[in-house]
Amino acid sequence: GESVGLHLPTLSVQEGDNSIINCAYSNSASDYFIWYKQESGKGPQFIIDIRSNMDKRQGQRVTVLLNKTVKHLSLQIAATQPGDSAVYFCAENGGGAAVNKLTFGGGTRVLVKP
Amino acid sequence: NAGVTQTPKFRVLKTGQSMTLLCAQDMNHEYMYWYRQDPGMGLRLIHYSVGEGTTAKGEVPDGYNVSRLKKQNFLLGLESAAPSQTSVYFCASSYGWGNTEAFFGQGTRLTVV
Repeated sequence: GESVGLHLPTLSVQEGDNSIINCAYSNSASDYFIWYKQESGKGPQFIIDIRSNMDKRQGQRVTVLLNKTVKHLSLQIAATQPGDSAVYFCAENGGGAAVNKLTFGGGTRVLVKP
Repeated sequence: NAGVTQTPKFRVLKTGQSMTLLCAQDMNHEYMYWYRQDPGMGLRLIHYSVGEGTTAKGEVPDGYNVSRLKKQNFLLGLESAAPSQTSVYFCASSYGWGNTEAFFGQGTRLTVV
């Protein structure tokens, strides 16, 4: 079936540096790709999404890049802070009749070192 | 505004027992979802609902049933719990068609022994 996956399970980053989290996807029919952040003991929290007809979108300290040619999604966090330590998931909606179904990847843990 | 509230937060069941997890949202969202999250893994969709009175199967629906009798509530039932259903269960809701910003509850940690 269709799947969303990640290249790196754990990312250690020095406070103040930029973080880049990568994700591969396989469903070319998805309308949206989304990044969620999950802190320990909490539910996932929406960070940013990008529509499939875009290749870049910026938010507050975050940028999502979409490369449809190689089916790759990335999340860039600028000036990483201790509060950014969490597990980050990429997700996609199924598109078409499955537009309301979010499929999540396996997650990348980001550890911010002081 | 409480957002998405799940009850209970923790539960231990014996194999074969049944239980219902309750999810309530106060944001007037049309869509609601139940996910399970196993250690070191992403979330997998169990069932979802696109409106009051409707339900649909997700990726891993076997062993679970759901009901959406009221717009604000989405119930997840386990008729005969199995150890393989030990997991953390998350409920989520979103505003409407194609909306990608789902709001999640705090989760229910279920252990089946």
